Amino acid sequence: DQQVKQNSPSLSVQEGRISILNCDYTNSMFDYFLWYKKYPAEGPTFLISISSIKDKNEDGRFTVFLNKSAKHLSLHIVPSQPGDSAVYFCASSKAGTASKLTFGTGTRLQVTL
Amino acid sequence: NAGVTQTPKFRVLKTGQSMTLLCAQDMNHEYMYWYRQDPGMGLRLIHYSVGEGTTAKGEVPDGYNVSRLKKQNFLLGLESAAPSQTSVYFCASSYAGRTQYFGPGTRLTVL
Repeated sequence: DQQVKQNSPSLSVQEGRISILNCDYTNSMFDYFLWYKKYPAEGPTFLISISSIKDKNEDGRFTVFLNKSAKHLSLHIVPSQPGDSAVYFCASSKAGTASKLTFGTGTRLQVTL
Repeated sequence: NAGVTQTPKFRVLKTGQSMTLLCAQDMNHEYMYWYRQDPGMGLRLIHYSVGEGTTAKGEVPDGYNVSRLKKQNFLLGLESAAPSQTSVYFCASSYAGRTQYFGPGTRLTVL
């Protein structure tokens, strides 16, 4: 039972364009959502998060949108840069669960020149 | 400030051997976690700890044990390694907020 799904295993975007990574969840108890970025042979690095009381959070080139009714969130990267090429994981957590995270399977983003 | 560190970075074991993975954090975080990542899958929680002297099971705890004798350290043990435990293991810590910070990982191969 996969509670967090990233249905696109890979995405290729040209440098300077927008990258949109998507994530769906099934558990309505999730109230906090995070995006992590992972380079090969390194640990995941926290990128941006959003609480369920918001529908948008922005940090520089990165914006996360949350649609609670659709149980869907997305990460927008504008403009995309070659250094953004990595695997992006969506993760969710529920209040009162020791901040345990449930991860999606990841989307590999490649930003081409 | 080294953040979260993991020892060793790589290890090869034979089936039935035992080993301990060490995770250390210098951020005074209360919560610590062990995950494994397998090809085509997200990270899955093995065990976690909400404070010194406490541990709890995660999603995939079978075949692993943990200990948190000191606040800054979280040990993951494999008593009798199996090929199914070949994976990349990540440790993470959190202050008791919602954001976890990860170590660089340990790549374990069990032959």
